[in-house]
Amino acid sequence: SQKIEQNSEALNIQEGKTATLTCNYTNYSPAYLQWYRQDPGRGPVFLLLIRENEKEKRKERLKVTFDTTLKQSLFHITASQPADSATYLCALSSNDYKLSFGAGTTVTVRA
Amino acid sequence: GAGVSQSPSNKVTEKGKDVELRCDPISGHTALYWYRQSLGQGLEFLIYFQGNSAPDKSGLPSDRFSAERTGGSVSTLTIQRTQQEDSAVYLCASSLKRSTSEQYFGPGTRLTVT
Repeated sequence: SQKIEQNSEALNIQEGKTATLTCNYTNYSPAYLQWYRQDPGRGPVFLLLIRENEKEKRKERLKVTFDTTLKQSLFHITASQPADSATYLCALSSNDYKLSFGAGTTVTVRA
Repeated sequence: GAGVSQSPSNKVTEKGKDVELRCDPISGHTALYWYRQSLGQGLEFLIYFQGNSAPDKSGLPSDRFSAERTGGSVSTLTIQRTQQEDSAVYLCASSLKRSTSEQYFGPGTRLTVT
């Protein structure tokens, strides 16, 4: 069956460091992958989209890589800030609308 | 501009009752999605609308769940004869078109079945 796995542990890092989150998938051939941020009591907010033929995408302090051979995406937050504390979700799609989400990784950035 | 809105924000109901959850998407967004998020779980896809049509209802857990969309805008998710396992946060999202575009989520409705 299809499975999407994100870091099973919550991530606690010091302000200014880089947070690296993983998203691994099995039995899936995604056409693209998205990353969302979710704060408590709120809906997810879109951050980045990367397509299967792209290796890397950047947006400000965020960087996403996508390795279809390893079936893995890495999400990096550089120069992390306490305001980056949230749960980060990866989502995959093999068609043009239906997203399948991972359970998320909770990141806490200590001042 | 206004984002996706959902109502009510919280709903407590007794087992066996019917509930209706409402979603107002962003104006002009033709695609609308419903998801369910249980504690500690990822978002579970329920149904997708393109305009008023629902080409994919594959995620609806049982025939107690139904949804409709009218005027290419507002959508209602109805759960009949609610069960305790229906307790979750129900999230609605919309996107500009049926494509790889990002989805904009509402704040969700927290449903508690007692």
